[in-house]
Amino acid sequence: GAVVSQHPSRVICKSGTSVKIECRSLDFQATTMFWYRQFPKQSLMLMATSNEGSKATYEQGVEKDKFLINHASLTLSTLTVTSAHPEDSSFYICSARERSSGGALAKNIQYFGAGTRLSVL
Amino acid sequence: GNSVTQMEGPVTLSEEAFLTINCTYTATGYPSLFWYVQYPGEGLQLLLKATKADDKGSNKGFEATYRKETTSFHLEKGSVQVSDSAVYFCALSGGGSEKLVFGKGTKLTVNP
Repeated sequence: GAVVSQHPSRVICKSGTSVKIECRSLDFQATTMFWYRQFPKQSLMLMATSNEGSKATYEQGVEKDKFLINHASLTLSTLTVTSAHPEDSSFYICSARERSSGGALAKNIQYFGAGTRLSVL
Repeated sequence: GNSVTQMEGPVTLSEEAFLTINCTYTATGYPSLFWYVQYPGEGLQLLLKATKADDKGSNKGFEATYRKETTSFHLEKGSVQVSDSAVYFCALSGGGSEKLVFGKGTKLTVNP
């Protein structure tokens, strides 16, 4: 099956530093990747949609200058949390949608990475 | 807009008990419906899906049937195991949007 690798799985950083999280589709091409944030015991909140070769589309309330997204290739998207603060501590999860012909949106199967636990001290 | 409402947990069952987690949705058009499972400390895994009315998704003993008349996609399993302990998310996509909309998740604990 389709595999999405997310790295790192856990990161602890000092306040004010930047952290980069990578999301790779290992055995398929993903024109679209999604970044989610999950608070404890809550559902996933979509932060942004990342399309290969174009600017990411951010959800309302998500600071694009704080959460930089780059989708440079069909298999890699990165999320950089800039100048991280303790309130940015969370579980970040990426997903990738496989590129397919005809009816792709109707199927819209997203494959998820294992998540990154970010702790900002 | 699209939305998903699922049974709030937590749900605690004994091994081999029958499981039902209710999920209803609101969407325009004909959305695709999904169940995802999240084991402790991990990301989400696609458990099963259904893309049109009356489709039944199944995997690992879990089943869910896309019921358009009741706008539901309830998850069932006839005999749960301890290893099924996880959080289950109902989700949909479509209705003019590519985004996945998730329910709030239901935590299942299965005791031996």
